[in-house]
Amino acid sequence: DTGVSQNPRHKITKRGQNVTFRCDPISEHNRLYWYRQTLGQGPEFLTYFQNEAQLEKSRLLSDRFSAERPKGSFSTLEIQRTEQGDSAMYLCASSTRGQPYEQYFGPGTRLTVT
Amino acid sequence: AQSVTQPDIHITVSEGASLELRCNYSYGATPYLFWYVQSPGQGLQLLLKYFSGDTLVQGIKGFEAEFKRSQSSFNLRKPSVHWSDAAEYFCAVGPTGNQFYFGTGTSLTVIP
Repeated sequence: DTGVSQNPRHKITKRGQNVTFRCDPISEHNRLYWYRQTLGQGPEFLTYFQNEAQLEKSRLLSDRFSAERPKGSFSTLEIQRTEQGDSAMYLCASSTRGQPYEQYFGPGTRLTVT
Repeated sequence: AQSVTQPDIHITVSEGASLELRCNYSYGATPYLFWYVQSPGQGLQLLLKYFSGDTLVQGIKGFEAEFKRSQSSFNLRKPSVHWSDAAEYFCAVGPTGNQFYFGTGTSLTVIP
C-alpha cells in the first residue's frame, strides 16, 4: 500500500492554457473522488468515479473541467482555458467497496494560474 | 441543504493541555460524520468517523469525538495535546449521493 499519489505536485500555468493532473489511487480501490480546496476553505467535491464510470459531478463543475478514469485505475482531471479563479489545490481520494466512506487522500496538486 | 460549520478558525493551546474543536452540521438524515487532519504539504488523513451506535468514538493519535444529535454537533477532543498535533482539522458530513461536505477547517497551533 503506497498511498494515493498525485502528479504533478505543483503546476504554474498562464491563463487560457490547458492543464491535466493525474491521480493514482491505492490499488484495488474502486472508488475515486476529486476535490478542490482553496485557501482557507475545506475540500469541495468535484466528481466521483466508481471503477471507470463517472457517476456524479458537482453542479459547480464547469464544462471546462473534465475527468476520466480509463480502465478503472488512474484518473486524470483536465481544465481547459484556465482562469485565475481555477487557482487551488486539487485533491484526489480513493476508497474501497468494503469501506466506501473511508477516503484516503493524496497530497494534492497545487495549481497557480497567472 | 447539507453543511458543516467549524466556528473556530484558529485555536492556540499549550502542549499538554486539553483540546476541543467544534463542529456543527446540517444534514437531512442520520449523518455519517468524519474528522480529518491535514499537515502542511500533506493530504487529509482520517482521524475518526461516526456511522451509528456508540456516540463517543475513538480515533487515531489519541483523539475522540462525541456525536450529539440534539445539538447537531460532533466535537473533536484530545486530553493532552502534543506539539506534533499542530495542523489543520476538518470536519465532514455525508454522503448525499456520493458527495461529502467539509467545514472550513480549524488551524491548531501548539505552544511549548
